[in-house]
Amino acid sequence: NAGVTQTPKFQVLKTGQSMTLQCAQDMNHEYMSWYRQDPGMGLRLIHYSVGAGITDQGEVPNGYNVSRSTTEDFPLRLLSAAPSQTSVYFCASTKAGGFTGELFFGEGSRLTVL
Amino acid sequence: QKEVEQDPGPLSVPEGAIVSLNCTYSNSAFQYFMWYRQYSRKGPELLMYTYSSGNKEDGRFTAQVDKSSKYISLFIRDSQPSDSATYLCAMGRGSTLGRLYFGRGTQLTVWP
Repeated sequence: NAGVTQTPKFQVLKTGQSMTLQCAQDMNHEYMSWYRQDPGMGLRLIHYSVGAGITDQGEVPNGYNVSRSTTEDFPLRLLSAAPSQTSVYFCASTKAGGFTGELFFGEGSRLTVL
Repeated sequence: QKEVEQDPGPLSVPEGAIVSLNCTYSNSAFQYFMWYRQYSRKGPELLMYTYSSGNKEDGRFTAQVDKSSKYISLFIRDSQPSDSATYLCAMGRGSTLGRLYFGRGTQLTVWP
């Protein structure tokens, strides 16, 4: 059971480049989300999804796109990378029913934008 | 103002000390209160979960929620070097399960 898998683990981009951070979970969780973690800022929600075909914005959505075509996958797209998007990105998932406070996190994707 | 406030520390204590970590919040709609632990270069993992007000104990860890004061705490007894990590408080509303609001995290070091 792999849990939540994020790829790539590390990435360096130049300003203006685009890329996609991949997230996959094998727990059949309905809810998936993307957070970014910056020093002194904690985890901030970028986008989330409550099921296939349904997405919504979180706290800091600008500059990012998401889609949810399957239950398992929830990719995060950076359209035109900026240095302000240098961060550690975490994908998380949980089941919709019987919530027990637990989000299952991936190990993170560390992105540097030059 | 962030919805959840947490002193980032850092906090450094000797092995065996009692550690107290705290968060305050502004949104009275929060019903779910969690503490996550994050080791360096890893994703956060759930440590404690409390629904509404009250206390919950799990081994050396005790979580307290005071909704009237909008204040939550995590106590670690007999702290160990393996407890060295960043501790994040998190909260959620019943209407948006899974959408959590996190504090900034407190970095804890327990030295032998």
